[in-house]
Amino acid sequence: DGGITQSPKYLFRKEGQNVTLSCEQNLNHDAMYWYRQDPGQGLRLIYYSQIVNDFQKGDIAEGYSVSREKKESFPLTVTSAQKNPTAFYLCASRTNANTGELFFGEGSRLTVL
Amino acid sequence: SQKIEQNSEALNIQEGKTATLTCNYTNYSPAYLQWYRQDPGRGPVFLLLIRENEKEKRKERLKVTFDTTLKQSLFHITASQPADSATYLCALPTGGFKTIFGAGTRLFVKA
Repeated sequence: DGGITQSPKYLFRKEGQNVTLSCEQNLNHDAMYWYRQDPGQGLRLIYYSQIVNDFQKGDIAEGYSVSREKKESFPLTVTSAQKNPTAFYLCASRTNANTGELFFGEGSRLTVL
Repeated sequence: SQKIEQNSEALNIQEGKTATLTCNYTNYSPAYLQWYRQDPGRGPVFLLLIRENEKEKRKERLKVTFDTTLKQSLFHITASQPADSATYLCALPTGGFKTIFGAGTRLFVKA
């Protein structure tokens, strides 16, 4: 079945540590996204990528980094510079169609201890 | 900057009634608007898209309206069921491939 796979589903990290969240899709979509969701809040865009080897900052990119070396993969690194990293992280992808809907993964919940 | 507002208060309705959720936006004229459903601890799932030149769109028990003058979209679920209980998010494209989301409205349907 085609879809988006995020891993790990739950992750604990100590303050000061970097952590990388994985996102893989087999939908053959060109565009991929990372959103952050805090309790009771909407999705906030961290980074997005329209094509391999290219990505743009979203609204809250500080303290995060991404890479897009393959079409299928868009990993997100939460660095120690991110002041409040505890959140639910969602990866999504879409086609290049003008009105392309977003397909989401099941999310990764990061908790900083 | 563009802003989306959804009613942050939860909506409680009785089974069989129609649920109506509101999405207002400012500082933007989107070409289309999308609605998603999100269950607790899960990723959002796309439901419906409505374009700026469409007044209304229907899909089974769902109906979406889009008023570009009021800068508002209404999302209706008719004959609501307890299984419809979830958070509903509206989303707008804001240029290129960027899409922003509202905070969502939590819907509870009581049997």
